[in-house]
Amino acid sequence: GDSVTQMEGPVTLSEEAFLTINCTYTATGYPSLFWYVQYPGEGLQLLLKATKADDKGSNKGFEATYRKETTSFHLEKGSVQVSDSAVYFCALRASTGGFKTIFGAGTRLFVKA
Amino acid sequence: DAGVIQSTRHEVTEMGQEVTLRCKPISGHDYLFWYRQTMMRGLELLIYFNNNVPIDDSGMPEDRFSAKMPNASFSTLKIQPSEPRDSAVYFCASSAGLTTEAFFGQGTRLTVV
Repeated sequence: GDSVTQMEGPVTLSEEAFLTINCTYTATGYPSLFWYVQYPGEGLQLLLKATKADDKGSNKGFEATYRKETTSFHLEKGSVQVSDSAVYFCALRASTGGFKTIFGAGTRLFVKA
Repeated sequence: DAGVIQSTRHEVTEMGQEVTLRCKPISGHDYLFWYRQTMMRGLELLIYFNNNVPIDDSGMPEDRFSAKMPNASFSTLKIQPSEPRDSAVYFCASSAGLTTEAFFGQGTRLTVV
């Protein structure tokens, strides 16, 4: 079945460091891909998305490119801030078999001042 | 729009009691999802609806769990009888269309004592 695998956390970085959180997926058809962010005590919020191969989603300095050849959707940011500390979830929305959204396990990011 | 509404942020109940969680999706969204989040298992999809009809309930852990969507603006998740291991944060989410993102409520933290 469809699945999402993302790198285990926690990831600890200093402020202004470069961030990469890896995400790979397995899916039939052509899924849409998403990154969600969850701040402490809050629900998940959409960070960015891409709906077809080679699309780049971007928001708030974060970027991710839909790579069909490597089935990946890695999240990157050039310079993280303390306020980026949160849990990040990679997700896919299947294009067949019911169209449900499947989430990865989440990666916790700590950014130190 | 007010977003997905889960009016109860915290729910405490005693083991053996029935507990009902409530959700109001975003108006016009035709998909509704119930998720459970725990430290051990991360974010699990319990059940989802399309146009008020349950499509996939394979994530519902036991017969003690049931969900309904009597109309397009309301859904419930019921646990009867509740057990301490049901303690978790339960999220409701809704989406429109086949490739769009899910919007999450703020979640209900359930504690079964």
